[in-house]
Amino acid sequence: GQQLNQSPQSMFIQEGEDVSMNCTSSSIFNTWLWYKQDPGEGPVLLIALYKAGELTSNGRLTAQFGITRKDSFLNISASIPSDVGIYFCAGHFGNEKLTFGTGTRLTIIP
Amino acid sequence: SAVISQKPSRDICQRGTSLTIQCQVDSQVTMMFWYRQQPGQSLTLIATANQGSEATYESGFVIDKFPISRPNLTFSTLTVSNMSPEDSSIYLCSVPGQGAVEQFFGPGTRLTVL
Repeated sequence: GQQLNQSPQSMFIQEGEDVSMNCTSSSIFNTWLWYKQDPGEGPVLLIALYKAGELTSNGRLTAQFGITRKDSFLNISASIPSDVGIYFCAGHFGNEKLTFGTGTRLTIIP
Repeated sequence: SAVISQKPSRDICQRGTSLTIQCQVDSQVTMMFWYRQQPGQSLTLIATANQGSEATYESGFVIDKFPISRPNLTFSTLTVSNMSPEDSSIYLCSVPGQGAVEQFFGPGTRLTVL
């Protein structure tokens, strides 16, 4: 099946820095979702995107649906310690199942 | 979003045994999904559980290994049968949101097979 590649695989940043990560696909999607998974927990939905070019914010998080429909981006501004975790993108098209990305692990250096 | 609970939260099991994982939702849902997350990996869909019919399994997963029950619209179980160390993973259930594409996840069951 198709695969979503997330970049970078891991990030080490200092508190207060901005974070950017992306997700790319070999095929198009109609919906992009971004999740965050804390250790020992299930993924939590952060942002949902439904339209090419759409830019949506949720507090310090901003995500964009790429105009080619094959990619999506997530930015976190002014990172704080609780931002630590693994971020997953997920794409959906038609009646197909939700496809998850490979994940980006965010670590904040004290 | 729905409130989802899973039992057990974690377990350590011996090779060759079986474990049944429960998923309870606080509202009625038509579909429930079961995922496997192997260590350090992403989420892989095992099957979709519909009330009143057999579950639909994804490629690479079979009913004999992962039998699923869906007795009503708020509950489902996944059994991991004849376990081996390769079955050590986090098992997650999820339900669709109002938009039908979004999914909301339970806290997961962390399984270790010795």
